[in-house]
Formats: sequence, structure tokens, C-alpha cells
Amino acid sequence: DVKVTQSSRYLVKRTGEKVFLECVQDMDHENMFWYRQDPGLGLRLIYFSYDVKMKEKGDIPEGYSVSREKKERFSLILESASTNQTSMYLCASSEPRGTNEKLFFGSGTQLSVL
Amino acid sequence: AQSVTQLGSHVSVSEGALVLLRCNYSSSVPPYLFWYVQYPNQGLQLLLKYTTGATLVKGINGFEAEFKKSETSFHLTKPSAHMSDAAEYFCAVQYSSASKIIFGSGTRLSIRP
Repeated sequence: DVKVTQSSRYLVKRTGEKVFLECVQDMDHENMFWYRQDPGLGLRLIYFSYDVKMKEKGDIPEGYSVSREKKERFSLILESASTNQTSMYLCASSEPRGTNEKLFFGSGTQLSVL
Repeated sequence: AQSVTQLGSHVSVSEGALVLLRCNYSSSVPPYLFWYVQYPNQGLQLLLKYTTGATLVKGINGFEAEFKKSETSFHLTKPSAHMSDAAEYFCAVQYSSASKIIFGSGTRLSIRP
């Protein structure tokens, strides 16, 4: 089975801190995604990547950046954390475009910004 | 704008009763359609998906969904609810094989003993 691993289950940070959320997948998937999940809003796409060193903005990229130096790893970076970035963050991976890809999700990181 | 709507943020049914979770999409072109489930403290996992072909799709854990083009709907059903079905369910659409997947706002399913 595909495994998508997020480095932290819970994270507490202070306003203004730089925050790194790490995600690793073990199935050689080309596509990787970062979503945030908020009650009543479902999942909203922050950034995605279809290849190493490639990134594209999703629906809500403001305040975030990403890094994909290796195929298996996709990092989400909060340059200066703010309280409105308190949320559940979900990483996902999938097979290449054109295959009606099924998304494989990690267990999520609940980030609290104080 | 292309979107997906889930009617009802919270649905509660009795154990053994029919489960019906509603999903409608906005598009004149049939999209690819998915249902994902999220159990407590877990990520999402795929329940079922519709791409082409038979409009009644069977998924895991006894769930099924029917694609109805005329109603632009993809409702999720299960004949008899079980306590273990308590979770949050997300409908999702993809309008072409090269486009991103759009998620609905989710429906929390509770099961009464």
C-alpha cells in the first residue's frame, strides 16, 4: 500500500515563526499536493507539484510556499505564521496526470498558531 | 465557476437505516466524480469513483453511488448503516484528467444506536 507520511501529528507555533511541514511518499508518485481542512470549508488546495522542482499555486497560496527537491518529499512552508493559519494540513500524492488519479492522503498535521 | 455542493453538513441516522449523502456538481460536461471518507484522526481514503461507463458505482464497505447526468448528482448510499460508518464524507470532482480535484465541504455522518 502507498504510504504518505507527515512528519508531525500536532504542532504548536507562535505568531511570526517560520514553520516547515514535511511530507514523504513511498510509491514514486509524480504528483503531490498540500491541502488545508477547515470545518465547513472542506479541503482547499494550497500548492501542488507535478514533478521535482516544479510547483503550482492552488486556490489559497497566500502566506505559504513549497519546496520539492526530491520526488518523494514535498514541504509546505509558512514564512511567518499567523493565527489564521491554524488548521489541519493534509498532504496527498497521486499517479501522473491523465489517469483519473486517486489521491493518497497522509494522516494530517494539526497546526495551532498562538 | 466549477464547484461541488454537498447538501447537509451533518446527517444522523439510526443503525440499520439507509444512508443517503447528497452531492451535486456544476458542469455541462460530465466530470470524474469521487467520494472520500475520513475516519477520526485519519487522512482521507477513497470510497469509490466514477469515470466512464456504468453509472452505478460500488465502493468499499457496502457503499455505492449513482451518477445522474440529468440531475448533475452523485449521491452516496448504503442500505444499512453500521456504527463503524461514523465519519466525514467528502464528494469531489475533476473536470478533466489534467485538472485539479475540487472537494465539497464535507458531510459528517453520525450513527445512532
